[in-house]
Amino acid sequence: EAGVAQSPRYKIIEKRQSVAFWCNPISGHATLYWYQQILGQGPKLLIQFQNNGVVDDSQLPKDRFSAERLKGVDSTLKIQPAKLEDSAVYLCASSQNPGANQETQYFGPGTRLLVL
Amino acid sequence: GNSVTQMEGPVTLSEEAFLTINCTYTATGYPSLFWYVQYPGEGLQLLLKATKADDKGSNKGFEATYRKETTSFHLEKGSVQVSDSAVYFCALILNTNAGKSTFGDGTTLTVKP
Repeated sequence: EAGVAQSPRYKIIEKRQSVAFWCNPISGHATLYWYQQILGQGPKLLIQFQNNGVVDDSQLPKDRFSAERLKGVDSTLKIQPAKLEDSAVYLCASSQNPGANQETQYFGPGTRLLVL
Repeated sequence: GNSVTQMEGPVTLSEEAFLTINCTYTATGYPSLFWYVQYPGEGLQLLLKATKADDKGSNKGFEATYRKETTSFHLEKGSVQVSDSAVYFCALILNTNAGKSTFGDGTTLTVKP
């Protein structure tokens, strides 16, 4: 089966510009996650969707970050305006069964963002 | 809050050496525990998992045992190979919070021939 797809793979922008990342989860997976991974650190959960509803966005900087999951399938994460500290890899993951704590998350290759 | 603490790296070993990467956690409930691996140029992938105390997860020669009494989930392999060179992440998912996960900061392993 096809894995989690993300685009673009790399993005360079200047501070105060806007940027958007796209994720297509594995077909049939109800739960979708966006993580931020700063160099040298582990992934930090930004937002979690179950179908097209938000389960958890407690660590999403809502003044500049937004995310949506269109029709419970694809998702877009946006940063507007970007800051230098937003430079990171943005990972998308999906899992099959909502609410199953032991469920495996499948990760995409990530989008590497550099803010100058 | 929940947290995962991993042994700091980088770790450099010779081929066929024994590997241990320590992982301890704090959680407000009863988590499931995971090890993910990230090979150079690739995305994160699940290596093994354990969902309750005393469970042992294993895959590709790697093992980890869920120790509730010491809140640990140390990763071990008896004989590492050059192809095991990667970054290893310990993670927990809390039972009471639908799939929300907390990751450690990762340990970089380099295996030399």
